[in-house]
Amino acid sequence: GESVGLHLPTLSVQEGDNSIINCAYSNSASDYFIWYKQESGKGPQFIIDIRSNMDKRQGQRVTVLLNKTVKHLSLQIAATQPGDSAVYFCAEEKNAGNMLTFGGGTRLMVKP
Amino acid sequence: EAGVTQFPSHSVIEKGQTVTLRCDPISGHDNLYWYRRVMGKEIKFLLHFVKESKQDESGMPNNRFLAERTGGTYSTLKVQPAELEDSGVYFCASRQIQGAEAFFGQGTRLTVV
Repeated sequence: GESVGLHLPTLSVQEGDNSIINCAYSNSASDYFIWYKQESGKGPQFIIDIRSNMDKRQGQRVTVLLNKTVKHLSLQIAATQPGDSAVYFCAEEKNAGNMLTFGGGTRLMVKP
Repeated sequence: EAGVTQFPSHSVIEKGQTVTLRCDPISGHDNLYWYRRVMGKEIKFLLHFVKESKQDESGMPNNRFLAERTGGTYSTLKVQPAELEDSGVYFCASRQIQGAEAFFGQGTRLTVV
């Protein structure tokens, strides 16, 4: 069936390094992709999104890359900080915004 | 501006009991969604309201789950009777229009024992 999934369940990086979190999706009809950050005891928090007519979008310290050819999505965090430690979810949206389909999540651990 | 709020934050109930979760969306957001994450798995869609109408309830697992949004403001999700496999974190999200950013509440952690 159609799904959005993550390659690595846990990613450990040194403070100050760059982080890359990857996600694969299988529904080529999806046209909207979002990255969420979830800290302990909190709900998912929007980080950045990208539509299928783009292949790159940048925010503050974060960049999302979309490769439609291989159905791959990635989140890059520059100069990773301890406050970036959280679980990161990718999600796709279809049916004109009816619902989000989430991947399984990647835990990012930042070592001081 | 207040965000999406959910009550209670935690609930522990016995199998067979009833629990009602509440979600207050951001004021003015017509679109309200319920999701849940069980046993460390991915977050799964349950249903979507547009104002007081159910737009899509394809994710509701069975008829033990009943969601309402009377008046198009806050929403409740009732589980009756609760089963062990219903344990998990239930999230509510809202957004003003489809395609816009969705804001999530902090979730309700439900434990059925």
